[in-house]
Amino acid sequence: GAVVSQHPSRVICKSGTSVKIECRSLDFQATTMFWYRQFPKKSLMLMATSNEGSKATYEQGVEKDKFLINHASLTLSTLTVTSAHPEDSSFYICSFAPGIDNSPLHFGNGTRLTVT
Amino acid sequence: AQKVTQAQTEISVVEKEDVTLDCVYETRDTTYYLFWYKQPPSGELVFLIRRNSFDEQNEISGRYSWNFQKSTSSFNFTITASQVVDSAVYFCALRNRGDKIIFGKGTRLHILP
Repeated sequence: GAVVSQHPSRVICKSGTSVKIECRSLDFQATTMFWYRQFPKKSLMLMATSNEGSKATYEQGVEKDKFLINHASLTLSTLTVTSAHPEDSSFYICSFAPGIDNSPLHFGNGTRLTVT
Repeated sequence: AQKVTQAQTEISVVEKEDVTLDCVYETRDTTYYLFWYKQPPSGELVFLIRRNSFDEQNEISGRYSWNFQKSTSSFNFTITASQVVDSAVYFCALRNRGDKIIFGKGTRLHILP
C-alpha cells in the first residue's frame, strides 16, 4: 500500500486564492522531507527542505512567503501556495526521507495544481 | 558542483526487447549516492535503487539491472525483456553526502506492444 499520502491529487483554483497541499507518511516517521515542483515533461526541481519542528530551507529562487511549508510533525507536512497565479500551475510532489542519510525514498502521488 | 546527465530524452522499443538507460554524473565528492526513480504516467515517483559510491557491485532485481562504473562516472539501468508496463519516465539522481539530491532530466521510455 501507499507509504506517503498526498492530497489533493488535483486542484483547480482562481488567481489570488490560496491552496494547501497535505503530505502524510503512513507507516514511518521522518525528520526530513522535501517538496518538489515539476513542469510538464521536465525534471523535478527541489523547492525546499524541511526538518520537523524547524523552519524550512528554501532553494534559491523559491519565494518562502509564497510557498509556505509547515512540517508540524514527523508524519505530516503541508505546502500552501498563497495568492496563487497561473504561473504557479504545476505538479507538486512531496517526499519523506527515512532519516539515515536523508535520501528521498518515499514520494507522494503528487498534486496537479491549475490556477485559472 | 554536481550534475547528472541523461542524454537520452526519449526511447521507444518494441516489447520484449532489452533497453539500457544511460546516466552520467559529475561530482567532486568521494562519498555520494546514486539513485534511479520511475515515474509512470500516473505521476507518482517510485524509488528503484540507491547505490553509494563505495559499492561498485552491479545489481540485478528481476528484469532490472544496474551497472555502476566509477571509472566512467556512469550508472546505467537496463531493463531486460521489456514490457508495456515499463513505459514511464526514468530519472537518475545524485546526492553528495550532506547535500541535496540532484535529478537528471529524465528519459521517457515507450514500450510498444
